[in-house]
Amino acid sequence: AQSVAQPEDQVNVAEGNPLTVKCTYSVSGNPYLFWYVQYPNRGLQFLLKYITGDNLVKGSYGFEAEFNKSQTSFHLKKPSALVSDSALYFCAVRAETGTASKLTFGTGTRLQVML
Amino acid sequence: GAVVSQHPSRVICKSGTSVKIECRSLDFQATTMFWYRQFPKQSLMLMATSNEGSKATYEQGVEKDKFLINHASLTLSTLTVTSAHPEDSSFYICSAIGVYLGNTIYFGEGSWLTVV
Repeated sequence: AQSVAQPEDQVNVAEGNPLTVKCTYSVSGNPYLFWYVQYPNRGLQFLLKYITGDNLVKGSYGFEAEFNKSQTSFHLKKPSALVSDSALYFCAVRAETGTASKLTFGTGTRLQVML
Repeated sequence: GAVVSQHPSRVICKSGTSVKIECRSLDFQATTMFWYRQFPKQSLMLMATSNEGSKATYEQGVEKDKFLINHASLTLSTLTVTSAHPEDSSFYICSAIGVYLGNTIYFGEGSWLTVV
């Protein structure tokens, strides 16, 4: 069975500082990895994904994530945080096989960016 | 990115009644749609997977007779909560994967259901 772990319930960072939101995964075969962001009372917005290729993936709003196969991690990063980045972030994984494979989500990490 | 629309965004219904939530892919054909439920401050729980023109596949523990899912066309899936009870109150989110969109799954804005 596939799984995702987001070890931090909340991450606090000052505006302008770099941020990291951690994610590790477990899946059979090659993983497809995703990050989504959720603002209050809203659906999920796609940020970025890793399918294959470069381990460093760049996505929306200046976010990036690094795929590390040996550590089975896909941490989300941003060089300079903004207050507007404050939201709930979900990491997700699905197996490579099958186009309609189910996404498995982590429990989410709340990012709080302070002035 | 691709757009998935959910309607209504908020609905209040009385106990014992049924309520329907629609999920539409606006600019792509969705071969598969997923329905999730999210409790406050929790992650998303997959309820079922629906493929156009076939019966939905429900996750373990989800009552298929209570949560009716129909995926009648490549752009529309509906979730009907039948004989709703207060414990069905939740945030329901749909997502869709398209024929030509690769491996990205796009999500709707969610629907708040309150059963009184």
